Amino acid sequence: SQQGEEDPQALSIQEGENATMNCSYKTSINNLQWYRQNSGRGLVHLILIRSNEREKHSGRLRVTLDTSKKSSSLLITASRAADTASYFCATGTSGSRLTFGEGTQLTVNP
Amino acid sequence: GAVVSQHPSRVICKSGTSVKIECRSLDFQATTMFWYRQFPKQSLMLMATSNEGSKATYEQGVEKDKFLINHASLTLSTLTVTSAHPEDSSFYICSAAAVMNTEAFFGQGTRLTVV
Repeated sequence: SQQGEEDPQALSIQEGENATMNCSYKTSINNLQWYRQNSGRGLVHLILIRSNEREKHSGRLRVTLDTSKKSSSLLITASRAADTASYFCATGTSGSRLTFGEGTQLTVNP
Repeated sequence: GAVVSQHPSRVICKSGTSVKIECRSLDFQATTMFWYRQFPKQSLMLMATSNEGSKATYEQGVEKDKFLINHASLTLSTLTVTSAHPEDSSFYICSAAAVMNTEAFFGQGTRLTVV
């Protein structure tokens, strides 16, 4: 199986609820990044967390990294319908080269 | 942040023809560029890494003679899909980094449809 496996594969919630997505990886990393992709569109970079960091915040986003468990989570608080998208984690091992997870399809119902 | 422009955003071509996709770093010089492919409802898979002035490094299973990559300048890399077939229909996306081990910035992607 590939580096960067995510769960759940699909998540459907109501507007205002929190959404949590998890990512696991297998090898040592330099950093882990989260991206959003709207259907058929390019990637939007959300947040980067380095291997020596445990938690990072950006607006309604909170990312945690547990290198001992080789896992990360992305929390979106007070979700909005506009947050509906696919979310991918990507691990950086060798510099700028990224390995993407399977992705989580988030649907926020108004 | 830095801007990476990919062109075209969409292309439809006939089976057997070749298609060229351009990836440009607009406000920085990119020594390294990456090409990814994404099939519908799947994740992004790295196809190859290209360094300016040298041959691209292809991932296992990617045919180098079919997917020609040229990185002739510090602001432009091209991916040519040769003799395209319907199974090559996919979303192709590039990223560019100023130097290795720094953040890479993504282009907006190219939707290729081979009919």
